[in-house]
Amino acid sequence: DGGITQSPKYLFRKEGQNVTLSCEQNLNHDAMYWYRQDPGQGLRLIYYSQIVNDFQKGDIAEGYSVSREKKESFPLTVTSAQKNPTAFYLCASSILGQAYSNQPQHFGDGTRLSIL
Amino acid sequence: GDSVVQTEGQVLPSEGDSLIVNCSYETTQYPSLFWYVQYPGEGPQLHLKAMKANDKGRNKGFEAMYRKETTSFHLEKDSVQESDSAVYFCALSGSNDMRFGAGTRLTVKP
Repeated sequence: DGGITQSPKYLFRKEGQNVTLSCEQNLNHDAMYWYRQDPGQGLRLIYYSQIVNDFQKGDIAEGYSVSREKKESFPLTVTSAQKNPTAFYLCASSILGQAYSNQPQHFGDGTRLSIL
Repeated sequence: GDSVVQTEGQVLPSEGDSLIVNCSYETTQYPSLFWYVQYPGEGPQLHLKAMKANDKGRNKGFEAMYRKETTSFHLEKDSVQESDSAVYFCALSGSNDMRFGAGTRLTVKP
């Protein structure tokens, strides 16, 4: 079955440490997204990518970095510059193209990041 | 920019009650509208969708009408069940990204 796989499910970070969250999709979707979810605040967009080797900042990109070297992979690095990284991180993907405008996004099951 | 507002953070109906969860949106585009459902420890799943004005999305007894004149996409169900308990997000899809409401936690009392 096609889908989005996020790993690990739980991750702990020490102060001053960078951590990388994995996101892999086998849906053959062009676009991929990273969201941060905090209680009572819905989903906020961190970064998105519509094509390999290209990505755009979302609303809360500071303290995060991404890469898109392969169509199926979109890892997120939470850097030490992100002072409040404790949150639930969600990866999503969607199909693009004129014939598929405004299509829904498909989500992984998330990674919960906590500070030690 | 685009935005989505859900006015209720939590609703607590009893099993068998009718339900309306409000969703209003602002946009200058011609978006598609969605409701996502999220269960504990999981990512959001697409619950229903409406791709253009006057479309009605339906799934598992839930309905939502895309009303352009009132910029609303309220989620409705005639009779809720305990298994409907989850967090529901209203979302708007424009040309480049998707905007989500803050979510409404539905807890159905037995």
